[in-house]
Amino acid sequence: GENVEQHPSTLSVQEGDSAVIKCTYSDSASNYFPWYKQELGKGPQLIIDIRSNVGEKKDQRIAVTLNKTAKHFSLHITETQPEDSAVYFCAASKIPGYALNFGKGTSLLVTP
Amino acid sequence: NAGVTQTPKFRVLKTGQSMTLLCAQDMNHEYMYWYRQDPGMGLRLIHYSVGEGTTAKGEVPDGYNVSRLKKQNFLLGLESAAPSQTSVYFCASSSQGGNQPQHFGDGTRLSIL
Repeated sequence: GENVEQHPSTLSVQEGDSAVIKCTYSDSASNYFPWYKQELGKGPQLIIDIRSNVGEKKDQRIAVTLNKTAKHFSLHITETQPEDSAVYFCAASKIPGYALNFGKGTSLLVTP
Repeated sequence: NAGVTQTPKFRVLKTGQSMTLLCAQDMNHEYMYWYRQDPGMGLRLIHYSVGEGTTAKGEVPDGYNVSRLKKQNFLLGLESAAPSQTSVYFCASSSQGGNQPQHFGDGTRLSIL
């Protein structure tokens, strides 16, 4: 089955700096890659996703890049703010399919 | 704009007791999922449903049962709770499987003593 590896497990940055979280996946048939943000006591919330026919997608300060050849994708957060502090999860899935396979999460801390 | 609602939010059980976790969604989604989240393990799929009246096993189904009698509801049951089932349980729904976003509830924190 699909195996999603996520790095780093913890990340601390200064406010205003950029943060990058990387994920690799094992199943070359995977073609949908969402990123979720989870705040303390809350459920994961989708922040951005990308499909395999696209190499990069941006939404304001957040961007995701996908390299299908190398089977890795990354989340980039620019101009980080303290409210970006949370746990971030990457995931991968394929069609036809039902499941999202999640990475183990990255705890991001943005210090003022 | 409720989205996915989980009840209860917290529960403490004794080993051997049974209980049912309820998930309700108001987005008319076909697919519903139950995950458990443990420290350092990420989210792992327990069971899922591709429509009313259907259920299927995920990655970690042992010790759990599910039912989807109505499209908007997905129930997760523990027949005889064990300490290893202490976890945070999340329900999610999506309009289609696989390549569509899943929308999550805020979780049920379950402790088994």
